[in-house]
Amino acid sequence: GENVEQHPSTLSVQEGDSAVIKCTYSDSASNYFPWYKQELGKRPQLIIDIRSNVGEKKDQRIAVTLNKTAKHFSLHITETQPEDSAVYFCAASIDRGSTLGRLYFGRGTQLTVWP
Amino acid sequence: NAGVTQTPKFQVLKTGQSMTLQCAQDMNHEYMSWYRQDPGMGLRLIHYSVGAGITDQGEVPNGYNVSRSTTEDFPLRLLSAAPSQTSVYFCASSYGAGTEAFFGQGTRLTVV
Repeated sequence: GENVEQHPSTLSVQEGDSAVIKCTYSDSASNYFPWYKQELGKRPQLIIDIRSNVGEKKDQRIAVTLNKTAKHFSLHITETQPEDSAVYFCAASIDRGSTLGRLYFGRGTQLTVWP
Repeated sequence: NAGVTQTPKFQVLKTGQSMTLQCAQDMNHEYMSWYRQDPGMGLRLIHYSVGAGITDQGEVPNGYNVSRSTTEDFPLRLLSAAPSQTSVYFCASSYGAGTEAFFGQGTRLTVV
């Protein structure tokens, strides 16, 4: 099945700096790549997603890029703020066969933004 | 619109006991899933369902059963609790493949 790897596992940045989290996937049939943010003690919530027919997507300070050839995608957060501190998960979904719709998650990145 | 509702929020079990974690959604979503979250391990899929009457195993299904008799409900049964099942459990639902997954608030389970 699909294997998603996420790096780094922890990331500390100064407020105002940028943060980048990278994920790789193994199955070239994956075509949907969401990112979830989980604050301490809360449920994961979708912050942005991208489909395989798009190379980049932006939403205010958050952007995601996708390189299908290299099978990797990245989350970029600019002008970080303390409220960005959370665990971020990447995921990939294969749109075919018996694994239709399954989400394969990375292990998460603990982002800490220091004021 | 309640979204995805999980009960209970906290539970302590003794080794060997059985229990059912409840999950209900009111968004008419076809896809429902159960995950467990352990430190450093991310979200691991236990079981999932693509519609009423259809279930399949995920990454870590041993020790858990599920059924999907209605679109709204997807209970997770622990047959004989073990300390290794101490974890935070999340239920999630989505409209279909390639759509946003909505998570419940989680159940923190401790098996002693």
